[in-house]
Amino acid sequence: GQSLEQPSEVTAVEGAIVQINCTYQTSGFYGLSWYQQHDGGAPTFLSYNALDGLEETGRFSSFLSRSDSYGYLLLQELQMKDSASYFCAVRDSGGYQKVTFGTGTKLQVIP
Amino acid sequence: DSGVTQTPKHLITATGQRVTLRCSPRSGDLSVYWYQQSLDQGLQFLIQYYNGEERAKGNILERFSAQQFPDLHSELNLSSLELGDSALYFCASSAHGSAGDTEAFFGQGTRLTVV
Repeated sequence: GQSLEQPSEVTAVEGAIVQINCTYQTSGFYGLSWYQQHDGGAPTFLSYNALDGLEETGRFSSFLSRSDSYGYLLLQELQMKDSASYFCAVRDSGGYQKVTFGTGTKLQVIP
Repeated sequence: DSGVTQTPKHLITATGQRVTLRCSPRSGDLSVYWYQQSLDQGLQFLIQYYNGEERAKGNILERFSAQQFPDLHSELNLSSLELGDSALYFCASSAHGSAGDTEAFFGQGTRLTVV
């Protein structure tokens, strides 16, 4: 089976940088995704890492280390609208390749 | 707009009843996923379909069932409802449901309240 661990809550100041970590245990692994979800809204895709290293998309970057079963999401120049929950998700490499989500990190951006 | 449509948006029903949630995937996507999200909880994977066939099963209760129809829309049936089934139910779709899919597109969810 799969399990993913993320911090439950993080608070950061507007304009600052915040890192949200994710460690995972899977029976197989294809890649690590990150999704953002505002309260009451639908999760929306942010990034995907299949290989080790850093992927940058605007203010958001995502990192993966397959050997450490670890990844993180880095948010720069934080804005109030970044207050949301952030989920990491893994797609396993088993026969059915289902996607399993972590429990999510609630980010609060304060002025 | 993700292109995934879920109906209804809200549903209030009594314990013991049965409801059907509907999902239309993004045009061209063959794979549909169902997730349950209880208050302040993560997304619990329920079940995945690919082109009409069940592909993967998660922690789905026996009281719950789903299917994907030839036109690729999917329905999630919840029966003998209990108070604890109150949650947001999300449908997501992706092109193939395989490793080549790096992104899943989520609908706005159906908020089910069991009273």
